[in-house]
Amino acid sequence: EDKVVQSPLSLVVHEGDTVTLNCSYEVTNFRSLLWYKQEKKAPTFLFMLTSSGIEKKSGRLSSILDKKELSSILNITATQTGDSAIYLCAVGGTASKLTFGTGTRLQVTL
Amino acid sequence: DVKVTQSSRYLVKRTGEKVFLECVQDMDHENMFWYRQDPGLGLRLIYFSYDVKMKEKGDIPEGYSVSREKKERFSLILESASTNQTSMYLCASSLDFGSWPQHFGDGTRLSIL
Repeated sequence: EDKVVQSPLSLVVHEGDTVTLNCSYEVTNFRSLLWYKQEKKAPTFLFMLTSSGIEKKSGRLSSILDKKELSSILNITATQTGDSAIYLCAVGGTASKLTFGTGTRLQVTL
Repeated sequence: DVKVTQSSRYLVKRTGEKVFLECVQDMDHENMFWYRQDPGLGLRLIYFSYDVKMKEKGDIPEGYSVSREKKERFSLILESASTNQTSMYLCASSLDFGSWPQHFGDGTRLSIL
């Protein structure tokens, strides 16, 4: 059975801090790892990492895939209150299915 | 931009009722998915569909069925609603077989009383 584990479950930081979110996986026929941000509504897509693209960056957010350790990290630098959300990690294996972790709830305070 | 629209944001139903949740996407995507999201359990896949009139069971299909009569529309049916089906339901779509990312609707928060 495919499995995705995220840590920590939740954290509270001050605005301006840097945070690192973790995702580890056990998936048959790994093909991609995706990060989503979920505020009050739909999860919105952030990054997709594959065997041919193991590092992505967009503004203050960046992500790295470690294929050897079967894990990924999502870094957010200079956090802002608008970064407060649940961050979801999902892994794609067989066909078009995604297996999701339980998410990390991030709260950024002033 | 991809638009995935779920028919209701909030829904309250009674135990034993037949419940329909509707989802429509406007980008001609082949794949559509239904998840439920519960605290501490994350998103779990209920059913998905690769094409019109095709459906595949996900990880937790018990108590649910689906219908896909048109490419853009994917319906989730609770045959006889029970209180343990109270949850947030999320619909998603993706372009075609083996493609990501999946694009999500805003979700339907369903309460079964």
